[in-house]
Amino acid sequence: NAGVMQNPRHLVRRRGQEARLRCSPMKGHSHVYWYRQLPEEGLKFMVYLQKENIIDESGMPKERFSAEFPKEGPSILRIQQVVRGDSAAYFCASSPPSGSGNEQFFGPGTRLTVL
Amino acid sequence: GESVGLHLPTLSVQEGDNSIINCAYSNSASDYFIWYKQESGKGPQFIIDIRSNMDKRQGQRVTVLLNKTVKHLSLQIAATQPGDSAVYFCAEPASNDYKLSFGAGTTVTVRA
Repeated sequence: NAGVMQNPRHLVRRRGQEARLRCSPMKGHSHVYWYRQLPEEGLKFMVYLQKENIIDESGMPKERFSAEFPKEGPSILRIQQVVRGDSAAYFCASSPPSGSGNEQFFGPGTRLTVL
Repeated sequence: GESVGLHLPTLSVQEGDNSIINCAYSNSASDYFIWYKQESGKGPQFIIDIRSNMDKRQGQRVTVLLNKTVKHLSLQIAATQPGDSAVYFCAEPASNDYKLSFGAGTTVTVRA
């Protein structure tokens, strides 16, 4: 049973470009969470999605950032017009439809570098 | 601000010794805590959790202690091994139950 998968693992973008980060949850999981980790810091919650619905995006910047989790396919975190401050590791986690959202399983992360 | 925080950013321990990693929290209503291990280049991995109705919980080579009086919890690793080298985070879910709040992490380095 494959765990949470994220791609790409490393992404380099120049300022002003777009970054697309993908997350495939564990099999049977329908809840997806995105977190951002800056160097030397803990993970910060960004957004919580269920299939075709954004449940909580309170941790996501209002500008340039968006997330989706379509009926088919992976969840996508999209960052438009990236700036250097967007450089970070972005982690996706998933949890099963039943049970507590505490049971989050994390993927390996995408490390975004903005030049 | 953060609701959980770790006392020390780094810990160096001799292989075979026991490690103790500390974490403080501010919300006296917090009732569930999780310890994660994050190895270099990887995502956080669940180690052990504890609910507030317990003072202690043991896993394989790990023990978590919860002191609700002083709002402090600790992770103890017995007979630390090189594979234990990682960053350790304490985390708790926010009141909505899914938004995990992480401390800054303690980097554990095991000396051979």
